[in-house]
Amino acid sequence: DQQVKQNSPSLSVQEGRISILNCDYTNSMFDYFLWYKKYPAEGPTFLISISSIKDKNEDGRFTVFLNKSAKHLSLHIVPSQPGDSAVYFCAASSYDYKLSFGAGTTVTVRA
Amino acid sequence: DADVTQTPRNRITKTGKRIMLECSQTKGHDRMYWYRQDPGLGLQLIYYSFDVKDINKGEISDGYSVSRQAQAKFSLSLESAIPNQTALYFCATSDSSQETQYFGPGTRLLVL
Repeated sequence: DQQVKQNSPSLSVQEGRISILNCDYTNSMFDYFLWYKKYPAEGPTFLISISSIKDKNEDGRFTVFLNKSAKHLSLHIVPSQPGDSAVYFCAASSYDYKLSFGAGTTVTVRA
Repeated sequence: DADVTQTPRNRITKTGKRIMLECSQTKGHDRMYWYRQDPGLGLQLIYYSFDVKDINKGEISDGYSVSRQAQAKFSLSLESAIPNQTALYFCATSDSSQETQYFGPGTRLLVL
């Protein structure tokens, strides 16, 4: 049973606009959440993370929001750039440091 | 040089063959992981190791085995490959004080 879900397989956005990626989880023991970015023929690279004691974390153009009551997190990319075109994975972990991944969302940034 | 390397990057093998995928890291991390990715699915954990003498099964360990030869090396073996083991395989590492994992470039495996 998949504990981390990314229900949108793909997202297309115009350059300069905001990209919003969503992720839902079912395991209430998850206490740390991460977003990874993956280009073709490369491994996932760490993008940004958030602890369950926070509801927002920002790093440059990337902001992650966490809503624990809804078991939902989102990644905002503002402004979107062509280099942001990639697959984005949401991941979550609990006390055991193992990561559970969502299926990924493919983002395409249109010029 | 890359911090986490995987060899080979691509491999084609036949059903029933034994194959080994290797992972090396220069990050000095004590924890290492093996994942597989199938189209439309996220990464699934096969095995993980928190130090040289520690080996643990992940979600999908059946048909796989691992060896932690040193802190920097973690290999994954398919004792008798089958076609549904065709996938992308990723190695990852992490420090014991952090939850962030760092991934290698992946191995694309095709089992005929």
